[in-house]
Amino acid sequence: GAGVSQTPSNKVTEKGKYVELRCDPISGHTALYWYRQSLGQGPEFLIYFQGTGAADDSGLPNDRFFAVRPEGSVSTLKIQRTERGDSAVYLCASSRGDTQYFGPGTRLTVL
Amino acid sequence: SQQGEEDPQALSIQEGENATMNCSYKTSINNLQWYRQNSGRGLVHLILIRSNEREKHSGRLRVTLDTSKKSSSLLITASRAADTASYFCATDPNTGGFKTIFGAGTRLFVKA
Repeated sequence: GAGVSQTPSNKVTEKGKYVELRCDPISGHTALYWYRQSLGQGPEFLIYFQGTGAADDSGLPNDRFFAVRPEGSVSTLKIQRTERGDSAVYLCASSRGDTQYFGPGTRLTVL
Repeated sequence: SQQGEEDPQALSIQEGENATMNCSYKTSINNLQWYRQNSGRGLVHLILIRSNEREKHSGRLRVTLDTSKKSSSLLITASRAADTASYFCATDPNTGGFKTIFGAGTRLFVKA
C-alpha cells in the first residue's frame, strides 16, 4: 500500500515568508508526528497528533510554528516569518502502534 | 535537546565484518527503537525493544538493552555494502508525553 507522502519535496523561500508543508499519512494511522532534521543530526521532535488533536506540541520551537490536522488524516505544518535557521529537512511519520513510518521529507531552504 | 547519544559517530568496516553501534539515554523509557536512514531522507524502522526485554533479534540484527545503564547496542552481523547508512536509536521516554527522542546517529560505511 501507499506509504507516507510529503509535499513539496523541496521548498526554497526567502527570509520572512510563510510556508506550508503537507503530510499525507498512511491510511488508517491515527498517530502523526512532525520532526525536523538538520544536517548531521538526528530528527528533532516537533509535534504529535492523535486523531485531530495535538496531543504533544512541546517540540515546537516558538510560536512561528503551527500544525493542523483538521480531519484526522492530512496534516499541514505552517511556519510564519521564516528565518534562515529554519532551513532543515522536515519529516513526517505516522503510526498505528509503536512503529513509526516516515515520509521522504521536505527539504526547506530559507535564503 | 537530544536524549539519545550514539557512539561511535562514524564507523568504517569491510564487507563481511560485524558492526556494533551503541546508544545511551538519560531518562526511563517505555521502549527503544533503531532506525536506518539513507541519503538524509526518510527513516526506516529496524527493530523495537521494550523496557522489560534484554535482547532481540531480527535477521542479521541483534539489539540489546540494559536499562540499569540506560544503554542499548545494535549489532549488524556479516555486513554488506548495502548496509551503508546512518543508524539512529530513538527512545519513548516514560514522562507522560508522546515525544520520540532521536540521537545524533552513527554513520556506517561498509567497504566492498
